[in-house]
Amino acid sequence: EPEVTQTPSHQVTQMGQEVILRCVPISNHLYFYWYRQILGQKVEFLVSFYNNEISEKSEIFDDQFSVERPDGSNFTLKIRSTKLEDSAMYFCASEAMRANYGYTFGSGTRLTVV
Amino acid sequence: QKEVEQNSGPLSVPEGAIASLNCTYSDRGSQSFFWYRQYSGKSPELIMSIYSNGDKEDGRFTAQLNKASQYVSLLIRDSQPSDSATYLCAVTTSYDKVIFGPGTSLSVIP
Repeated sequence: EPEVTQTPSHQVTQMGQEVILRCVPISNHLYFYWYRQILGQKVEFLVSFYNNEISEKSEIFDDQFSVERPDGSNFTLKIRSTKLEDSAMYFCASEAMRANYGYTFGSGTRLTVV
Repeated sequence: QKEVEQNSGPLSVPEGAIASLNCTYSDRGSQSFFWYRQYSGKSPELIMSIYSNGDKEDGRFTAQLNKASQYVSLLIRDSQPSDSATYLCAVTTSYDKVIFGPGTSLSVIP
């Protein structure tokens, strides 16, 4: 079964540091997403990405966030200057068709900002 | 603000019973509806999708959609302890965005 791979599984960083979360989507998928889930809260949309550009982003996805598909296989989320409130599980997801058949999520990266 | 609402639970059912999970959404333009299962500490896993009014069955799962009432439900027949998880309702609000409800925690008691 094809899967979405995320690394690292857990990252601890100091407040103010930059982090890069990595995702390898399923190879024939064209649409990519980042979501986050603060402990005990709902899964929140961050950004969608298609054809090497952001197609939609949420209010959470402010200037400290960026996404990139640097090499045709990886899909990264960068947080430039982490805050305590960025502590959450970050999930990458991909789809073959646009918001039609449901996402395949990666196993997530737990980000802890101290 | 487009919203997806679910009862947070916990919903407890005995093994072998039918579990009924409900969801309402605010955006009348939503076209695609999904149910995900999330075990504690794990990522959401897609279990059902539904796009038109009525029922859709897949094994022990039945999704029901009523767009006029802006209501989606999930029935789990012959509930098993392994079904104990949080069930997330998700709805498209645009071509590029799916929003999730807060989830309903289901506990199946052996």
